[in-house]
Amino acid sequence: EDQVTQSPEALRLQEGESSSLNCSYTVSGLRGLFWYRQDPGKGPEFLFTLYSAGEEKEKERLKATLTKKESFLHITAPKPEDSATYLCAVQGPGGSYIPTFGRGTSLIVHP
Amino acid sequence: ETGVTQTPRHLVMGMTNKKSLKCEQHLGHNAMYWYKQSAKKPLELMFVYSLEERVENNSVPSRFSPECPNSSHLFLHLHTLQPEDSALYLCASSRLTGGGTGELFFGEGSRLTVL
Repeated sequence: EDQVTQSPEALRLQEGESSSLNCSYTVSGLRGLFWYRQDPGKGPEFLFTLYSAGEEKEKERLKATLTKKESFLHITAPKPEDSATYLCAVQGPGGSYIPTFGRGTSLIVHP
Repeated sequence: ETGVTQTPRHLVMGMTNKKSLKCEQHLGHNAMYWYKQSAKKPLELMFVYSLEERVENNSVPSRFSPECPNSSHLFLHLHTLQPEDSALYLCASSRLTGGGTGELFFGEGSRLTVL
């Protein structure tokens, strides 16, 4: 069974204070790892897909990286508008196209 | 319209009411999903429709009934709900062929309150 564990559960940062969110996964044959951003009361918004170890993707202040066991979402010089819950999901091999989601990390960036 | 649209955005219902949530996707995707999101809990997959196949989470009570008349529309019929069913119900769609097949695109959600 695919498993996804995100840490920390919650993170508070000061504006400009860079940090990283972690997503550890257990899946036999990773087809894809996905990061989403979710604002309160809204649906998750797709951010990145990573397919293989060593791959990196960037978008504004966010950079996602992938190893064989975990993924990091690095946030550089965050701003208050980066406050949201960040969700990680993995997709396993074969015909199982349904991703498994982690519980998310709630990020609050204080001005 | 673009993306995934859910209606209504907010719904308050009594335990004896019957209501439906509607989802429409304009992305040309061929899989649609219903998720339940309760406070401080992970996303819970309820149902998936893809290529005329339906996948369901066996733990979902029968008071939730999905319907998918075509690849662009998805409904969740609600009847005799319980207060613990109050949650944010999210619809999502994805593409099953070609690249990027694991990426889900979500609607804004329907916030359901059961009194």
